[in-house]
Amino acid sequence: DIVMTQSPDSLAVSLGERATINCKSSQSVLSSSNNKDYLGWYQQKPGQPPKLLIYWASTRESGVPDRFSGSGSGTDFTLTISNLQAEDAAVYFCQHYFGTPRTFGQGTKVEI
Amino acid sequence: EVQLLESGGGLVQPGGSLRLSCAASGFTFSNYAMTWVRQAPGKGLQWVSAISGRTTDTYYADSVRGRLTISRDNSKNTLYLQMNNLRAEDSAIYYCAKNQDGGPVAMDVWGQGTTVSVSS
Repeated sequence: DIVMTQSPDSLAVSLGERATINCKSSQSVLSSSNNKDYLGWYQQKPGQPPKLLIYWASTRESGVPDRFSGSGSGTDFTLTISNLQAEDAAVYFCQHYFGTPRTFGQGTKVEI
Repeated sequence: EVQLLESGGGLVQPGGSLRLSCAASGFTFSNYAMTWVRQAPGKGLQWVSAISGRTTDTYYADSVRGRLTISRDNSKNTLYLQMNNLRAEDSAIYYCAKNQDGGPVAMDVWGQGTTVSVSS
């Protein structure tokens, strides 16, 4: 099974500053057939279901503010939240979908 | 509007059974793979099971294989999770989610979840 490890487990960022969350997979999630990284990022606020932010490692989901960006390839990925807003306080999860089980990282809590 | 509505959760004794349902609306259900994800109280997300759109290929986490069964009725736009021989560690909020297309992709729409509690 592919193990997804996020760092840090939590971070506190001031309003308007940048938050950086890392996600590392135990093996590559880059497909040689289509050159896509099978990696998504989700945001979850208390009492709510997760919300898709980023897919294919760097493609922003429709309606997601452009202050959210994803980068990386292979085994190392980053979610960056620029110009942090109060509504960005949440837990963020990475997940691979390169085969099954499609495991999630343990989550990173972002506090303001 | 694309919507998913889970139901069927509740309190059940260890070894018991439950059947979760997820009613889908606002999209052509049969065109999309579907997924169940669970979240134990205060914990992270755990991928449980997935089913393809038309071929109904199924996939399971090792911890549930042989006890939980995913299925779908495309004529009723409904996803199911039959849960047998339940254990305390199966207690969680169970979310159904729509995949972006019929294959292995991210999940772009989630339901609000239904809570399963396994306790004597």
